[in-house]
Amino acid sequence: AQKITQTQPGMFVQEKEAVTLDCTYDTSDPSYGLFWYKQPSSGEMIFLIYQGSYDQQNATEGRYSLNFQKARKSANLVISASQLGDSAMYFCAMREGPGNNDMRFGAGTRLTVKP
Amino acid sequence: EAQVTQNPRYLITVTGKKLTVTCSQNMNHEYMSWYRQDPGLGLRQIYYSMNVEVTDKGDVPEGYKVSRKEKRNFPLILESPSPNQTSLYFCASSFKNSYNEQFFGPGTRLTVL
Repeated sequence: AQKITQTQPGMFVQEKEAVTLDCTYDTSDPSYGLFWYKQPSSGEMIFLIYQGSYDQQNATEGRYSLNFQKARKSANLVISASQLGDSAMYFCAMREGPGNNDMRFGAGTRLTVKP
Repeated sequence: EAQVTQNPRYLITVTGKKLTVTCSQNMNHEYMSWYRQDPGLGLRQIYYSMNVEVTDKGDVPEGYKVSRKEKRNFPLILESPSPNQTSLYFCASSFKNSYNEQFFGPGTRLTVL
């Protein structure tokens, strides 16, 4: 069974600094996709970044990058140059597949950016 | 605009009063899913559907029903709500059999008194 672990319930970071949010996963399927979503206080789920298990390079999307260490089964989200608007809950998720469509989520990390 | 819509966004009800939360998507997605979000537990899947007339249980299906009569709609039904179903509910959709991200609705905050 899939399992996603986010060990940091809460994190603080100073504005303009970089922060890493941890995510480890457990799967026996060689094919899977890893996702990060942001949930601001307004409640909506915003897709941030995706990493495929066969991708050779770490995914990047603007200030977001995914530090993918396949052997360690970790998929940490790195946010560079934090902004006040980055304060939110962040969820790591995984989809095995392509036949399994279910997406499993970690418990989330609440990030607070300090001015 | 490509989107997933949910209604209502907020609902306060009483124990035992049947309710339906609607979900609709305009992206022609085959796969649709319902989640509930509770503090410290992340999002847990309630039910999912691979296509019209095809539904299956997720991790926490007790007390919920769904139907998929049309591709775009996937309503969540609570026939006899109880206080432990107080939660934030999300509908999501995506193409099936791919690694695509799921698109989420705005969420429905349900309180059962």
